[in-house]
Amino acid sequence: GNSVTQMEGPVTLSEEAFLTINCTYTATGYPSLFWYVQYPGEGLQLLLKATKADDKGSNKGFEATYRKETTSFHLEKGSVQVSDSAVYFCALTDAGGTSYGKLTFGQGTILTVHP
Amino acid sequence: GAVVSQHPSWVICKSGTSVKIECRSLDFQATTMFWYRQFPKQSLMLMATSNEGSKATYEQGVEKDKFLINHASLTLSTLTVTSAHPEDSSFYICSASPAAPDTQYFGPGTRLTVL
Repeated sequence: GNSVTQMEGPVTLSEEAFLTINCTYTATGYPSLFWYVQYPGEGLQLLLKATKADDKGSNKGFEATYRKETTSFHLEKGSVQVSDSAVYFCALTDAGGTSYGKLTFGQGTILTVHP
Repeated sequence: GAVVSQHPSWVICKSGTSVKIECRSLDFQATTMFWYRQFPKQSLMLMATSNEGSKATYEQGVEKDKFLINHASLTLSTLTVTSAHPEDSSFYICSASPAAPDTQYFGPGTRLTVL
């Protein structure tokens, strides 16, 4: 079956620090990969996605590259801000079979950025 | 655009009662809606997938008689927790997907507390 593994948090950084949140996956088909963000008290929002190998998703200064050879989709940002404090979820959907359209989530990583 | 609402945002009920949670897509038609459950500091777990006008498909281990899902229109799905017990206390999140299966828009969630 499909699975997503994220680095355990919480992650605490100072403002303007470099961020990496690791994510690896296992999938039976050809998944699309996603990063979702959940700000305190809000619902999940799509941060970025990549639909095929070597694609790079980017948004709001965050980037992640779909690496098929290492089955990874690590999230990076060069300079974090206090407003980036949130929970980040890595997820995938399988492009075919019975899991079509279903999202499989990682366990989430809490990020706290201090001024 | 692509706003999904949930109602209520939080509910407290007595053990043995039933609770209905509504999920609405406000500005698009949702071919498919998903219901998730999120435990504190844990990931989202898919409970069921529902398509408008048809029976929901439940994930393994989810009691379909306890968690009744109705998807009566392209903009509304409801989750009814029947005969709720304290172990049903959780954060319930819905998402709605238009035609593109890779795209899910999430509601803000409903906090259920069963006393």
